[in-house]
Amino acid sequence: KAGVTQTPRYLIKTRGQQVTLSCSPISGHRSVSWYQQTPGQGLQFLFEYFSETQRNKGNFPGRFSGRQFSNSRSEMNVSTLELGDSALYLCASSLGQREKLFFGSGTQLSVL
Amino acid sequence: AQTVTQSQPEMSVQEAETVTLSCTYDTSESDYYLFWYKQPPSRQMILVIRQEAYKQQNATENRFSVNFQKAAKSFSLKISDSQLGDAAMYFCAYRSAPIQGAQKLVFGQGTRLTINP
Repeated sequence: KAGVTQTPRYLIKTRGQQVTLSCSPISGHRSVSWYQQTPGQGLQFLFEYFSETQRNKGNFPGRFSGRQFSNSRSEMNVSTLELGDSALYLCASSLGQREKLFFGSGTQLSVL
Repeated sequence: AQTVTQSQPEMSVQEAETVTLSCTYDTSESDYYLFWYKQPPSRQMILVIRQEAYKQQNATENRFSVNFQKAAKSFSLKISDSQLGDAAMYFCAYRSAPIQGAQKLVFGQGTRLTINP
């Protein structure tokens, strides 16, 4: 069974641009969550989706948004990029709320 | 809000020896889960072990075991017979039980583990 797949692996953008990251969960998993990892702030929760509905949202500005499609694939979007948005963005999927989370290898975003 | 603290930024151990990584957490909830994740240079977060707060018995997965002290809010990871492949960043994480709160992981700052051959 394929694991969680995130694309692209690396991305370079400039300030003010917007970016879309993609996450394909493990087959059968309906919950997808996103995390931001930076050297300074560590790992922080962005949001969680279940069956196309956002169930939880972390403490991030409205520039960060996401969605989930009917096939459980998820995208997150960051608009008006800032230098501080440079980070590793990790996606995780699970069968449900009490189940284990499985992570992808992340998308490394660099904002210049 | 829940917090997780890992007080050891770096640890090192000789191959084949035992090492213990420390983690403390703060919460007012009674039902929750605790995790140890490993992040090697590939960047993928790999679940090492999981502990359910209502279970008194410490979780064990092969060479990995935890010492869960609920009253002290302590959750340490012991790695026995350390192997070169154990070298990675280790993160302690907390998650509320579904009925009690948001289903998000709260991570500690991590401990970088080096294995010396």
